[in-house]
Amino acid sequence: GESVGLHLPTLSVQEGDNSIINCAYSNSASDYFIWYKQESGKGPQFIIDIRSNMDKRQGQRVTVLLNKTVKHLSLQIAATQPGDSAVYFCAELPGTSYGKLTFGQGTILTVHP
Amino acid sequence: DSGVTQTPKHLITATGQRVTLRCSPRSGDLSVYWYQQSLDQGLQFLIQYYNGEERAKGNILERFSAQQFPDLHSELNLSSLELGDSALYFCASSVEAGHTGELFFGEGSRLTVL
Repeated sequence: GESVGLHLPTLSVQEGDNSIINCAYSNSASDYFIWYKQESGKGPQFIIDIRSNMDKRQGQRVTVLLNKTVKHLSLQIAATQPGDSAVYFCAELPGTSYGKLTFGQGTILTVHP
Repeated sequence: DSGVTQTPKHLITATGQRVTLRCSPRSGDLSVYWYQQSLDQGLQFLIQYYNGEERAKGNILERFSAQQFPDLHSELNLSSLELGDSALYFCASSVEAGHTGELFFGEGSRLTVL
């Protein structure tokens, strides 16, 4: 039969706006969360990570928020630029795991000049 | 440029055939990971090696196998290929073998099975 591709959530923003990308995770045992960016034709690129003993972590123009109560993760990008256009994936790593990242489905971010 | 090199970039083959994908990790990285990215399954972990030894295994099919050589490069062997094996195969590397999520991915090998 015909395979059905993942229907990725999309987010369109104007250059200079702030972007918020959300992710729900499923495994209560996950204690380490990571955001990756994948540009067209390239491999995923690490952006920022956060461990479960934190609820917020900031990087350069990016902030990750973690809400363990509702198993929710978000990535905030400040002053979004056209070069930020990509697919963004959250990933989780259970405490007993070695490099066995479980990736979310991804969100397509499009930044309009 | 992540420093991870994968070859070939593109590969077209027929069902039933066998292919080998190659990965050179970043200089100094001892851990190598293989992931599969397909339209219907997303990014899926296949297997991890650390300094030549298998460290973790995901939902890797029995038709697939991998190894890491003494020079730390890795190969993923896919045999008895099926149409559904068509996907992007990524290799990633990291310094650590343990609880790390900071992986450096190559640009992938796109496999098309006809």
